[in-house]
Amino acid sequence: AQSVSQHNHHVILSEAASLELGCNYSYGGTVNLFWYVQYPGQHLQLLLKYFSGDPLVKGIKGFEAEFIKSKFSFNLRKPSVQWSDTAEYFCAVRPGEGTGGFKTIFGAGTRLFVKA
Amino acid sequence: GAGVSQTPSNKVTEKGKYVELRCDPISGHTALYWYRQSLGQGPEFLIYFQGTGAADDSGLPNDRFFAVRPEGSVSTLKIQRTERGDSAVYLCASSSDRGSYNEQFFGPGTRLTVL
Repeated sequence: AQSVSQHNHHVILSEAASLELGCNYSYGGTVNLFWYVQYPGQHLQLLLKYFSGDPLVKGIKGFEAEFIKSKFSFNLRKPSVQWSDTAEYFCAVRPGEGTGGFKTIFGAGTRLFVKA
Repeated sequence: GAGVSQTPSNKVTEKGKYVELRCDPISGHTALYWYRQSLGQGPEFLIYFQGTGAADDSGLPNDRFFAVRPEGSVSTLKIQRTERGDSAVYLCASSSDRGSYNEQFFGPGTRLTVL
């Protein structure tokens, strides 16, 4: 069965610190990978996604993530966080197109708090 | 344009009652998803519609849960004989096509509390 593991439930950083949130997934086939963000009081929204090609993907607001197939990982990074990055971040995996699967599996989320 | 909307935003009910939760997807979106998010967890997939039909309902926890999308637009999630464990935020998302390449747009959710 598919599963997604996010290593940190809570992260506290000071502004300008670098960020890396870990995500590992369990699935044997082709996958699509996502990071979603939920800012306080707002809806879940897509931060970035990986389907194929370059394993280093760029998202909005300076975020990036790297797909390492051999490690089943898709870690999220940002070189310098801002107070406005305070939010909850969810990693998600979905079977790749053509596999017949539509179920997106989410991790438990990581709450990031950035101190001004 | 308008995003995904969900009504009600909050629903409080008593154990054993029946509830209906509504989702209005983005106009023209053919794919619609329901998720359940419990406290401290990520969204949990419940069901996926492509048009009017449920293409994947493998996430529905038991037969007390049912969802419909009769005209391929608005969807209703129905929960019979509610239990305290059903308390959660129920999220709806829509996307423009069935393909994996299309982003899911999420609604604000309905917070269901079963007393």
